[in-house]
Amino acid sequence: EPEVTQTPSHQVTQMGQEVILRCVPISNHLYFYWYRQILGQKVEFLVSFYNNEISEKSEIFDDQFSVERPDGSNFTLKIRSTKLEDSAMYFCASSDRDSVYEQYFGPGTRLTVT
Amino acid sequence: DQQVKQNSPSLSVQEGRISILNCDYTNSMFDYFLWYKKYPAEGPTFLISISSIKDKNEDGRFTVFLNKSAKHLSLHIVPSQPGDSAVYFCAASEANFGNEKLTFGTGTRLTIIP
Repeated sequence: EPEVTQTPSHQVTQMGQEVILRCVPISNHLYFYWYRQILGQKVEFLVSFYNNEISEKSEIFDDQFSVERPDGSNFTLKIRSTKLEDSAMYFCASSDRDSVYEQYFGPGTRLTVT
Repeated sequence: DQQVKQNSPSLSVQEGRISILNCDYTNSMFDYFLWYKKYPAEGPTFLISISSIKDKNEDGRFTVFLNKSAKHLSLHIVPSQPGDSAVYFCAASEANFGNEKLTFGTGTRLTIIP
């Protein structure tokens, strides 16, 4: 069964460093998303991406964040200058045209900022 | 901003019995609702969804009920099996083009007792 994959599974970085989290969405999906879950809190929406542009972003998704689909398969989230409060699980998700709201999630990347 | 609430943080049910997980929402613009299941160190797994034009959707052992006037939905699992032990998240979407984000509840940890 097709699935969303994410790399790395765990990333440790120092405050102020740039990180890139990578995702390979399900191949025929057209809508892509990033969510995050801070330990003990709910899953929060960050950004949605369709047709090579951001379709919606949350207040969390400030200028430190960016997303890119550099080729036909990868979808990346970049955090330019990480802060301690960026430590969280980051989930990538994708959905297809026929059932946009049924989003399929990857296993997540645990980001630890020290 | 608790637009989606799951008031029971945990629930224990005997194997073979019915599990009922509840979810309330406050945003009357929500039009599509989903349930996800999450195991530790994994991403949320889509289980079942329901559009606001329906009041019930069934898929095998899983049934979701929607009471739009009460802004309440529930997930019934019958019969409950040990593999159902996980955290269950309710999620909702306003289901508009360009606004596909999911708003999640805080989750209910379901434990099935053998």
